[in-house]
Amino acid sequence: EPEVTQTPSHQVTQMGQEVILRCVPISNHLYFYWYRQILGQKVEFLVSFYNNEISEKSEIFDDQFSVERPDGSNFTLKIRSTKLEDSAMYFCASSRQGTDTQYFGPGTRLTVL
Amino acid sequence: DQQVKQNSPSLSVQEGRISILNCDYTNSMFDYFLWYKKYPAEGPTFLISISSIKDKNEDGRFTVFLNKSAKHLSLHIVPSQPGDSAVYFCAASETGANNLFFGTGTRLTVIP
Repeated sequence: EPEVTQTPSHQVTQMGQEVILRCVPISNHLYFYWYRQILGQKVEFLVSFYNNEISEKSEIFDDQFSVERPDGSNFTLKIRSTKLEDSAMYFCASSRQGTDTQYFGPGTRLTVL
Repeated sequence: DQQVKQNSPSLSVQEGRISILNCDYTNSMFDYFLWYKKYPAEGPTFLISISSIKDKNEDGRFTVFLNKSAKHLSLHIVPSQPGDSAVYFCAASETGANNLFFGTGTRLTVIP
């Protein structure tokens, strides 16, 4: 069964450093998403991406964040200058259409020191 | 932002009995609802969904009920199995929007 994959599983970085989180969505899916879950809190939407552009973003997704589909398979989330409060699990998801069920990857745990 | 609420942080059920997980929402524009299951160190796994044109959807041991007037949905698991022990998240979305709004989750423990 196809699945969403994410790398790395755990990323540790110093405050102020840039990080890139990587995702490989399910191959025939057209919509891609990033969510995050701060420890003890709910899963929160960050951004959705379709046809090589952002289709929706939350207020969390400020200028420090960017997304890219650099090739036909990867989908990345970049945080330009990490802050302590960016420490969270980051989940990538994909769906065939925007209204279809979203399937999630295993997550990347980001720790900002 | 409390648009989707799961008021029970945990639930314990004996193996073989029914598990009922509840979820409430406040946004009347939500028209698609999903349940995800999450094990530690894994991402949410899709379980079952329901659109607002239905009031029940069933898939094997899992049934989701939707009460639009009460803005309430529930997930029934019958019979419960120890492998069902996980955190269950309710999520909702509205037509035309891509983002899902999640509840805080309910940790289900099925006791053998």
